[in-house]
Amino acid sequence: DAGVTQSPTHLIKTRGQQVTLRCSPKSGHDTVSWYQQALGQGPQFIFQYYEEEERQRGNFPDRFSGHQFPNYSSELNVNALLLGDSALYLCASSLNQGLYEQYFGPGTRLTVT
Amino acid sequence: KQEVTQIPAALSVPEGENLVLNCSFTDSAIYNLQWFRQDPGKGLTSLLLIQSSQREQTSGRLNASLDKSSGRSTLYIAASQPGDSATYLCAVSRYSGGGADGLTFGKGTHLIIQP
Repeated sequence: DAGVTQSPTHLIKTRGQQVTLRCSPKSGHDTVSWYQQALGQGPQFIFQYYEEEERQRGNFPDRFSGHQFPNYSSELNVNALLLGDSALYLCASSLNQGLYEQYFGPGTRLTVT
Repeated sequence: KQEVTQIPAALSVPEGENLVLNCSFTDSAIYNLQWFRQDPGKGLTSLLLIQSSQREQTSGRLNASLDKSSGRSTLYIAASQPGDSATYLCAVSRYSGGGADGLTFGKGTHLIIQP
C-alpha cells in the first residue's frame, strides 16, 4: 500500500517565478492538507482540501493556491515567489476532513534564489 | 490562537535511558493530539494519536499521555536507542465545521541518543 507521495523532491526557482507542487494521498484517503516548514521550525498549515474544495485555510497570502482532483490528488501553486518561500513543503492525507490520523509525505524542498 | 510549546528544545542522552518529552498547548479545546518523528530533511512519521477523550496511547517503547484540562502532553520513550535520534514534533487539531482544522505544531525537540 503506497503511502503519501510528493513530486518533485527538490526544486530551485528564481524570485518572481511560479511553482507547482504535487501530492498523491495514501490509498483510500479523501482529504489533503499542505504545510510549509522553514528550517528549524514546526510545519505551518497552508490549507486543506476535501471534495475538491478548499475547506480551511491558514494564514498564508493569496499567492498560495491549490487544487484537488477527482482522484483526491492535489496541487499546491505558489505565484510571484519570494526568497522567504524557500522551505520544505509537506503534504498530509487523512480521512473525512481530517478527523483521523494524518499521514505525511516526504516533502518537496523548494529553494528560491 | 492556539500555541504549542515543546520543552526541551534539544536533548542529548546516553543509550538505554528512559526519557520524557513535553508538549503544552494554550487552548484546551482540542480534537486530538498527534506525536510525530522527523529525520533530517525528511517528512513526518506519525508515532501516536490521542483523541481528546483519551488519557494515553502506547506503541512499543513509546507512551504518550494527555491532560487536556491542563493543556499538556508527554511522550515517554523507554530504553532509548541511537536509532531514536530525530526531531519529535507535537501537534494539535480542533474540531470545526464537521471536520478537524489543520494541525498546529510545536517547534519540536531535537533528540540525540549517544551510543
